Amino acid sequence: DVKVTQSSRYLVKRTGEKVFLECVQDMDHENMFWYRQDPGLGLRLIYFSYDVKMKEKGDIPEGYSVSREKKERFSLILESASTNQTSMYLCASTQTGNTEAFFGQGTRLTVV
Amino acid sequence: AQKITQTQPGMFVQEKEAVTLDCTYDTSDPSYGLFWYKQPSSGEMIFLIYQGSYDQQNATEGRYSLNFQKARKSANLVISASQLGDSAMYFCAALYNFNKFYFGSGTKLNVKP
Repeated sequence: DVKVTQSSRYLVKRTGEKVFLECVQDMDHENMFWYRQDPGLGLRLIYFSYDVKMKEKGDIPEGYSVSREKKERFSLILESASTNQTSMYLCASTQTGNTEAFFGQGTRLTVV
Repeated sequence: AQKITQTQPGMFVQEKEAVTLDCTYDTSDPSYGLFWYKQPSSGEMIFLIYQGSYDQQNATEGRYSLNFQKARKSANLVISASQLGDSAMYFCAALYNFNKFYFGSGTKLNVKP
């Protein structure tokens, strides 16, 4: 069974903390994505990566960075968490040219 | 940003009736893919159906069909014979340049008994 696994289902962090959201896939997919999901806004692309150490900004990269040191792992980093980053974060992966994205279960992050 | 537009924030449909969820996209790429995902209240994203830009026929998967109108840049999802379990958020998505994956804002579908 193919899998995309996010390290935490729920997280509560304080304003100003550095936050790491981890995502691991076991399908040898080249492409990995981080989205945030907010009511009425759908899924907005933060960053994506098409290869190890390669990354591209999505639509809303401000306040975030990413790391992809290994093919199977894509990390989202909030350098200094703020309350407006309270959201649901979804990781996904795809094989280039394939017809489906596979999603993790999501991480609901609350910044207080 | 390449845009995906879903103009229906919420919809109601009577059980056993058909319903159409609208989606338009905006790209100049000649090659792209169009997708629909279902997100129940539990939060997982469930892949429903895929349409390639070069596909001549509309995609179908069981009760789901994708009404692809390339000239209008629309990719509407049709659900036939709605069931109570179809109540969920539905997202339209597009894959550009083989690896950029964008989503619409979603439509919340409620199926009434």
